[in-house]
Amino acid sequence: KNQVEQSPQSLIILEGKNCTLQCNYTVSPFSNLRWYKQDTGRGPVSLTIMTFSENTKSNGRYTATLDADTKQSSLHITASQLSDSASYICVVSAIDAGNNRKLIWGLGTSLAVNP
Amino acid sequence: DGGITQSPKYLFRKEGQNVTLSCEQNLNHDAMYWYRQDPGQGLRLIYYSQIVNDFQKGDIAEGYSVSREKKESFPLTVTSAQKNPTAFYLCASSIGQGLHSYNEQFFGPGTRLTVL
Repeated sequence: KNQVEQSPQSLIILEGKNCTLQCNYTVSPFSNLRWYKQDTGRGPVSLTIMTFSENTKSNGRYTATLDADTKQSSLHITASQLSDSASYICVVSAIDAGNNRKLIWGLGTSLAVNP
Repeated sequence: DGGITQSPKYLFRKEGQNVTLSCEQNLNHDAMYWYRQDPGQGLRLIYYSQIVNDFQKGDIAEGYSVSREKKESFPLTVTSAQKNPTAFYLCASSIGQGLHSYNEQFFGPGTRLTVL
């Protein structure tokens, strides 16, 4: 069964600290993985996309890694800011039993950055 | 400004009433999507449309209907047949086939529907 699991479910850190969010997937065949940031009461916004051949990709203070062998991705946030408080969602592209493409969304990690 | 808009932000309806949620985009995207988001669950696809006058059911289409008469508009109707309509509804659009996640989906701000 195609699944995307994220950990931790929630996280509280102090402003200025670093943190790492995890995404494990059992989707096969794997095509690509995208990280979204969703502020409370808003729509998700894409942070980065990882394809099969990519190991690391950065977007400002956000760095995503991908290990296609272990089917794990991480999102590292450096020098956190109050505005980083949001839910971070991992989504993987999959092919269902009917050979149709679909997206498998994780439940997200809720990050709170405190002053 | 280019973007995708949803209205209203908050919507209250009595049980048994149909309600239509608006979604408009000026990004010139071909594909549009409707998702539902509930606490403790990932986004679930309701309907999607890859081109004008065509749309397909997603994973949870029962109790919902859509139309795609114009490229920029993709309204969602929540009918009385939807057993648990209270949720946060998100509309999205993408340049091409967005169910391949390489094509980024751009989301609207969402509509929170509460059925009393």
